[in-house]
Amino acid sequence: GENVEQHPSTLSVQEGDSAVIKCTYSDSASNYFPWYKQELGKRPQLIIDIRSNVGEKKDQRIAVTLNKTAKHFSLHITETQPEDSAVYFCAANPSNTGKLIFGQGTTLQVKP
Amino acid sequence: DTGVSQDPRHKITKRGQNVTFRCDPISEHNRLYWYRQTLGQGPEFLTYFQNEAQLEKSRLLSDRFSAERPKGSFSTLEIQRTEQGDSAMYLCASSLVETGELFFGEGSRLTVL
Repeated sequence: GENVEQHPSTLSVQEGDSAVIKCTYSDSASNYFPWYKQELGKRPQLIIDIRSNVGEKKDQRIAVTLNKTAKHFSLHITETQPEDSAVYFCAANPSNTGKLIFGQGTTLQVKP
Repeated sequence: DTGVSQDPRHKITKRGQNVTFRCDPISEHNRLYWYRQTLGQGPEFLTYFQNEAQLEKSRLLSDRFSAERPKGSFSTLEIQRTEQGDSAMYLCASSLVETGELFFGEGSRLTVL
């Protein structure tokens, strides 16, 4: 079945710096790759997603890139702010099914 | 509609007891999902429905777990003969088939003593 690997598990950056989180997936039929942000004690919430027919998508300070050949995708956050501190999860939908398989998560800490 | 709602938010039970969680999805969403999340881990897929049909159930899911969505609206997740290893946050999510974006509820936290 689909396996989604996420790195790093923890990331600490200074306010204003950029943060990059990377994920790899195993099922080449996957075609939807969302990123979720989960604050402590809260529900995961979608922050950006990308489909396999595009290579990059941007929304203000957040961008996602997808390399289908290498089967990896990345989240880029620029000009980080303390409120960006949270756990971030990548996900993929194996064999174009409705379910999502999540990565293990990255704890991002933005130091003021 | 205020989003996906789950009940109860917290449940403490003794080992061997049965527990049931309820999820009310966003009303126009036709897909409903159950995930389990333990501390420091990503959500783990359990099962999902499209309308009232259960389309997939994780192979890792014990037969003590059963989920229903009888009328294609709310869903229940029952755990029979609970074990301490069942302690986790149980997350429900819903989506539209067309978009695939999952909207999560706040979760039901289970503690098995």
